[in-house]
Amino acid sequence: GDSVTQMQGQVTLSEDDFLFINCTYSTTWYPTLFWYVQYPGEGPQLLLKVTTANNKGISRGFEATYDKGTTSFHLQKASVQESDSAVYYCVLGDSGTYQRFGTGTKLQVVP
Amino acid sequence: DPKIIQKPKYLVAVTGSEKILICEQYLGHNAMYWYRQSAKKPLEFMFSYSYQKLMDNQTASSRFQPQSSKKNHLDLQITALKPDDSATYFCASSQGASTEVFFGKGTRLTVV
Repeated sequence: GDSVTQMQGQVTLSEDDFLFINCTYSTTWYPTLFWYVQYPGEGPQLLLKVTTANNKGISRGFEATYDKGTTSFHLQKASVQESDSAVYYCVLGDSGTYQRFGTGTKLQVVP
Repeated sequence: DPKIIQKPKYLVAVTGSEKILICEQYLGHNAMYWYRQSAKKPLEFMFSYSYQKLMDNQTASSRFQPQSSKKNHLDLQITALKPDDSATYFCASSQGASTEVFFGKGTRLTVV
């Protein structure tokens, strides 16, 4: 069945460090891939969307790309700030009835 | 203005009791969902509805019953509450599985 795997449970970085979070997915359909971000006390919200058509998404300094060959997609940011501290979810959307969320990566950015 | 309204924001219930979590969305979406997030587990999909019909159910227990009285409503009835049901329950909606999902602010349920 369709699935998404997010291996990094927690990442701690210093301000201005480079961020890289990776996910792998499995689906028989043409996937639409998302990154959502969840701040404390709130529900998740869309950060980026990547489709097979554009291969890349950019928003708020974050960039997401996917590799069809390795069925992986990742989120990166060149220079993180303390305000980026949150939980980041990779999400698989396809022809199914709901989007499949990964287990989340908690990013903590220390000043 | 919040586009997805969840009530109540906080809820404390006694073990064995029954509660209903309310959700209304004003985004004009056809699909609505319930997710659960606890301290022990990551965000967990529970149900999806489309045009008021149940499309997917990933909840093992029949104690959880979604109820859709109107197109933009999807309430969640939980019976015979257990302490393990303590979690934040998020209602969400979208136009489809490949479009952005919008989440409410959640109902934090504590079962004592």
